[in-house]
Amino acid sequence: AQSVSQHNHHVILSEAASLELGCNYSYGGTVNLFWYVQYPGQHLQLLLKYFSGDPLVKGIKGFEAEFIKSKFSFNLRKPSVQWSDTAEYFCAVNARGTYKYIFGTGTRLKVLA
Amino acid sequence: DSGVTQTPKHLITATGQRVTLRCSPRSGDLSVYWYQQSLDQGLQFLIQYYNGEERAKGNILERFSAQQFPDLHSELNLSSLELGDSALYFCASGGGDIQYFGAGTRLSVL
Repeated sequence: AQSVSQHNHHVILSEAASLELGCNYSYGGTVNLFWYVQYPGQHLQLLLKYFSGDPLVKGIKGFEAEFIKSKFSFNLRKPSVQWSDTAEYFCAVNARGTYKYIFGTGTRLKVLA
Repeated sequence: DSGVTQTPKHLITATGQRVTLRCSPRSGDLSVYWYQQSLDQGLQFLIQYYNGEERAKGNILERFSAQQFPDLHSELNLSSLELGDSALYFCASGGGDIQYFGAGTRLSVL
């Protein structure tokens, strides 16, 4: 069965610190990968996605993620976080050719001003 | 604004009751997805409809059912409610591989 693991449940950083949130999935076939963000009191929004091609994908607000197929990972990064990045971040996987999406349990990021 | 509308925003009810959550997808989107977000289980995929037909099923309880109507809006029906059903229920719509989420319905079962 497919699964998605987000290793860090809570992360606290100071402004300007670098961020890396881990995401690992288990599925042997081809996948589409996503990172969503949920700001306090708001709905989930797509940060970035990977379908194919360059494994380093850039998203909105300075976020990027790297797909490492051999490690079944899709880690999210940002070189310098801002207070406004305080939110919950979800990694999601869709096995290509299926219609099910599996989300990780989320990582709550708190950025201290 | 994602273009996906969910009503109501909040719902408070008692155990054993039945409720209906409504979702209007973005204009042109044929797919509707339902998710349950609880503190202990994260975001769980419940069910997907595409153009009126059920397409995929996730961890949806037998007490829960959904449908998508000809105008593409969808309803999630939750019956015989239990305390553990208290959660945020999200609807998402999409035309391809990307989903656009609504603001959710917060269900509190007392």
